Amino acid sequence: GAVVSQHPSRVICKSGTSVKIECRSLDFQATTMFWYRQFPKQSLMLMATSNEGSKATYEQGVEKDKFLINHASLTLSTLTVTSAHPEDSSFYICSARKPSAGETDTQYFGPGTRLTVL
Amino acid sequence: GQNIDQPTEMTATEGAIVQINCTYQTSGFNGLFWYQQHAGEAPTFLSYNVLDGLEEKGRFSSFLSRSKGYSYLLLKELQMKDSASYLCALWDSNYQLIWGAGTKLIIKP
Repeated sequence: GAVVSQHPSRVICKSGTSVKIECRSLDFQATTMFWYRQFPKQSLMLMATSNEGSKATYEQGVEKDKFLINHASLTLSTLTVTSAHPEDSSFYICSARKPSAGETDTQYFGPGTRLTVL
Repeated sequence: GQNIDQPTEMTATEGAIVQINCTYQTSGFNGLFWYQQHAGEAPTFLSYNVLDGLEEKGRFSSFLSRSKGYSYLLLKELQMKDSASYLCALWDSNYQLIWGAGTKLIIKP
């Protein structure tokens, strides 16, 4: 099956700093990648949809200036949490859509990045 | 290695019961999730099991056996809206998510 990786797996930073999280599709080209945030009750909230070579589409309520998304290539998307605060502490998960000819595209999920802001 | 297996696709009839199995091998275990995902939408959380046994939530139940590396999601009184992909995922010893490839459930009238 397809593999999606995230780096780093966990990060601890001081309040006010910026943190970059990478999402890579290792064995396929993903024209679309998604960024999710997992809340304490395990629900996944879609933050934004990232298309290669174009601006990300953010969901309502997600600050685009705080959560910067760059989809620089067909295998890499980055999420930068700018000026992080303790309330940004969470588990961030990416997924990549693998195109399939003639069938519904499949999403493959990354292992997640646990961000802790002190 | 670490891996999760679940069937690629299943078909069931409206009103019936279906069981979606998930088997796993992992170096550590901190709980198993089931998510439902409709095409084009974000996954919806269904259940989280960390102890052995059955947990029931309305029409959906989830079972876990840690010794067997096995879980299943049981859907009763199937409705057409239950047609979706069902994702099994678990937290390993480092709380990293390991995802199954998902099971596409097709409900027929």
